[in-house]
Amino acid sequence: DADVTQTPRNRITKTGKRIMLECSQTKGHDRMYWYRQDPGLGLRLIYYSFDVKDINKGEISDGYSVSRQAQAKFSLSLESAIPNQTALYFCATSEDWGGNQPQHFGDGTRLSIL
Amino acid sequence: AQKVTQAQTEISVVEKEDVTLDCVYETRDTTYYLFWYKQPPSGELVFLIRRNSFDEQNEISGRYSWNFQKSTSSFNFTITASQVVDSAVYFCALRPLIYNQGGKLIFGQGTELSVKP
Repeated sequence: DADVTQTPRNRITKTGKRIMLECSQTKGHDRMYWYRQDPGLGLRLIYYSFDVKDINKGEISDGYSVSRQAQAKFSLSLESAIPNQTALYFCATSEDWGGNQPQHFGDGTRLSIL
Repeated sequence: AQKVTQAQTEISVVEKEDVTLDCVYETRDTTYYLFWYKQPPSGELVFLIRRNSFDEQNEISGRYSWNFQKSTSSFNFTITASQVVDSAVYFCALRPLIYNQGGKLIFGQGTELSVKP
């Protein structure tokens, strides 16, 4: 089983709909992240969380919200989806503040907004 | 500014050729970490290597090698005797230690490598 699981893997929806992307992990890591990937731009950070009581905005948080329901779960919501939110979304985890620890990524959610 | 630049958007080689993927970074931090990730066509991100700013020793792992040069702020990745299975998008990423709330990774734009048989 994957250590970092994202659901759904693919989603097509319409403009204006509310969408939730879910992420769960079995690695026991405190830190969780949501990134989006766009062609030619690499990955950009949307939100991150140090633990269940801590949520922080990343560089492109507008139009998104998150919920850290438990140490193992971190959900990303698009309140009212728009076409330019079409992208590949990744959830990642890392161990407590050890800068040399790699982030572990889920397999991604491919989201298309029509 | 804290930034990673992968100037090569796409590279195409024939199998068995050697190929180097360039990565140049900018950071005001004196302590930082550098990473390479591979994204095969299936889409997942696979961690390849990390390097901290105090360790300029080059590393070799099988056909893969990494050259870290602090003087030129570069962390280049070389694949020797490339194979079709090496075809992927490769990302270089930077994690500054101090000026980096949350420990986020700063990614380059990625280099798409295509290895033809």
